[in-house]
Amino acid sequence: DQQVKQNSPSLSVQEGRISILNCDYTNSMFDYFLWYKKYPAEGPTFLISISSIKDKNEDGRFTVFLNKSAKHLSLHIVPSQPGDSAVYFCAASAEYGNKLVFGAGTILRVKS
Amino acid sequence: DTAVSQTPKYLVTQMGNDKSIKCEQNLGHDTMYWYKQDSKKFLKIMFSYNNKELIINETVPNRFSPKSPDKAHLNLHINSLELGDSAVYFCASSHSRGVVDQPQHFGDGTRLSIL
Repeated sequence: DQQVKQNSPSLSVQEGRISILNCDYTNSMFDYFLWYKKYPAEGPTFLISISSIKDKNEDGRFTVFLNKSAKHLSLHIVPSQPGDSAVYFCAASAEYGNKLVFGAGTILRVKS
Repeated sequence: DTAVSQTPKYLVTQMGNDKSIKCEQNLGHDTMYWYKQDSKKFLKIMFSYNNKELIINETVPNRFSPKSPDKAHLNLHINSLELGDSAVYFCASSHSRGVVDQPQHFGDGTRLSIL
């Protein structure tokens, strides 16, 4: 039973344009959401997070939007750079707890 | 200066053997985790320890036994390895539950291959 879904296995974007990665969740108890970035042969690296009391969080080129009523979040990267090419995982937890539930990931390719 | 380090990076062994994977963190975190990334690329939590106490124990065969000698170390011992144990195992650490904006930090993974 997938509680966190990333329905796009891959995304290809031109350098300088916006990348939008999407994530849906089913568990209404989730209150903390994170995005991780992963390069091959490395562990996931934390990118940005958002708590359920917010609907937007920004950090440089990265912005996460949360729509609680739709149980949907998205990660916007603008402008996209070739170094952003990686697998992006969406994750969620309940009660700010430590048990993270991950999506399957989306492979982002930024073409120069 | 590695924050979460796990050894070995690769582990190739025969079915039925017993093996261990070690994990150490130097971030001063008090909670550590083991995740398994299967062939479908999902990362699933297996165990979590807080200050050497087991706090999360997902439905994992009891052939898997975590051991935390102190809060900076969490090792994973696997008995009687099976083909289905082939996966990448990730160790992670964080501050305690309930601390917002304290994300988990991951090691680079151990790729376990069972022949």
